[in-house]
Amino acid sequence: DAGITQSPRHKVTETGTPVTLRCHQTENHRYMYWYRQDPGHGLRLIHYSYGVKDTDKGEVSDGYSVSRSKTEDFLLTLESATSSQTSVYFCAISEERVRADTQYFGPGTRLTVL
Amino acid sequence: GENVEQHPSTLSVQEGDSAVIKCTYSDSASNYFPWYKQELGKGPQLIIDIRSNVGEKKDQRIAVTLNKTAKHFSLHITETQPEDSAVYFCAASSSGGSYIPTFGRGTSLIVHP
Repeated sequence: DAGITQSPRHKVTETGTPVTLRCHQTENHRYMYWYRQDPGHGLRLIHYSYGVKDTDKGEVSDGYSVSRSKTEDFLLTLESATSSQTSVYFCAISEERVRADTQYFGPGTRLTVL
Repeated sequence: GENVEQHPSTLSVQEGDSAVIKCTYSDSASNYFPWYKQELGKGPQLIIDIRSNVGEKKDQRIAVTLNKTAKHFSLHITETQPEDSAVYFCAASSSGGSYIPTFGRGTSLIVHP
């Protein structure tokens, strides 16, 4: 497995609270991504990063923000969690020196918003 | 943008049978088509991929075929085994764009012993 860890692996929180999920990689890959996975929707891109402090929005970015201050860490923040953000969140990485479009996924974080 | 349709959403086969999962894409500029396998409680893992300059690629019991004219590609698994049970995702991306793949909605493959 690619050296990707996500923390926490499970979290239960209440509506209106801020939540931060962490993705950590040991591969020194340039690109990092956050997806959410919901039944019937597959994998949907939330935000991605193409370098330190360089990020951009995906198709479902509303209510989420990201930060990348180091190559190895990519943080996803739910500014004020809502029940619609209950989901499984996956981090992925890729590297253009190999193939930028080949992604490697972390183990996921299951988030429940009550 | 790209749109990827994947069928069927659920596929149930007997051990030893073959399984085929089909995907169509809309953007003729797409030129990279990976397939991912996701086991229960884990992240998706790349199992095979194909680029648009190749029509077919095999790796032991799995193969992928690509028809650029019709804009569809398929995953073929022969001699299925219970450990093949998982959710499979297809995806499509373009090296001329952002490299970010668009995923299909997934197929849940169940292999009955």
